[in-house]
This record gives sequence, structure tokens and C-alpha cells, in this order.
Amino acid sequence: AQTVTQSQPEMSVQEAETVTLSCTYDTSENNYYLFWYKQPPSRQMILVIRQEAYKQQNATENRFSVNFQKAAKSFSLKISDSQLGDTAMYFCAFSGTYKYIFGTGTRLKVLA
Amino acid sequence: GAVVSQHPSWVICKSGTSVKIECRSLDFQATTMFWYRQFPKQSLMLMATSNEGSKATYEQGVEKDKFLINHASLTLSTLTVTSAHPEDSSFYICSAPLGLAGGDDSTDTQYFGPGTRLTVL
Repeated sequence: AQTVTQSQPEMSVQEAETVTLSCTYDTSENNYYLFWYKQPPSRQMILVIRQEAYKQQNATENRFSVNFQKAAKSFSLKISDSQLGDTAMYFCAFSGTYKYIFGTGTRLKVLA
Repeated sequence: GAVVSQHPSWVICKSGTSVKIECRSLDFQATTMFWYRQFPKQSLMLMATSNEGSKATYEQGVEKDKFLINHASLTLSTLTVTSAHPEDSSFYICSAPLGLAGGDDSTDTQYFGPGTRLTVL
């Protein structure tokens, strides 16, 4: 069975600084997708970034980028130039054969 | 694009009554939708997979007679909490997958509704 682990329950970062959120997963599948979702206080789940496992190149979306290490089964999210609006819960998710498996989340607080 | 709506956004009901929550994909079709439950400060727990034109698939431990799911069309799925009790109070979220080609595939990205907060008195 697949598992997703986020080992950092809470993190904080100063505005304009860079922060990295960790995510590891376990699977025996070779083809799968990984996602980072953001859940702000409104509780609306927002897609931040998506990575296909067959692609070696790390996905990037503006200030958000990932470090995908397939052999190590690691999928960390880097947020550059942190903004106050980045304050939210961040969930890492794995998708292999259909369903999502979510990690327990990391609560990120951006400090002014 | 890829907008999913939920209605209502919040509901308060008396114990023993039934509550229906709607999930709609506004600008795309979805033969599959997912229903999650989220407790405060916790992750999303998948309850069931809603399939258009067929029965829903429930996760282990989820009572299918209590949480009735109907996928009436390619853009609408409903979750009915029957005979609600205080322990059913929670945040319910639906999602619908959309692929790059606009289709519905197991590897598609899921887009989430804004959630429904249910409080059972």
C-alpha cells in the first residue's frame, strides 16, 4: 500500500525568505503522479504544483518548485520569496492507480 | 477553467434528519467524483468514489447506507448524510478529476470544491 509522509507538522518563514517543505512516499509502482495542494484558512484546496514520475525534470510554477528524487521517493516543495498569502496548510498527495493518498500536512506560517 | 462548486457551504441540522450536499463541476464533465471528510487540523480522508451511471465505491469503514451517493449526471454528484448524528459533524469536500486532454482519467489532477461544513445538533 502506498503511504505519504510529511514529517514537519508546522513551519514558519520570514516574508521574502525561502522555505522547503518535505514529503516522502512509499510505492511499488513505477508510473504515478505527485501533487502539492495548499489549503488556506478558507479551506479551499488549491493545486500548487504537479509532477509526473516519468519526468526527470523538476516541476516549477512561478515561486514554487519541487525537488523530485524518484529513487529516494522524496518530493519536497520549495517556496521562494515567501508572501503572507502563502500562509496555509500544505498537503502532499500521491496518485497511482486512480485515488489520491494525502500526507498529514504541514502548517506554514509566513511572518511579516 | 476546472471549477468545482459545492452547495451548501455550511449547514446546521438536528440529530436524526438527513442532509444533502451537492457537488458540481462547472466547466467540465466528470464521470468520477470523490468525496472526502476532513476533521479539524487533520488531513483529507477519502470516503467514496462517485461514478456516473453506476454505484459508488466506498472506502473501508464508511457506511454506505449512512452516506448515500448519487452521481446523477456528468456534472453533478450528491452526498446525503442520512439520520445525521453529532459525530457526523465535519467538513465534507468533493473533488473531480480533469486531465490535460480534458478527459477523465485515473491520473488526472483533482480539482476540489470549497467544502461544506456540517454541524449536527
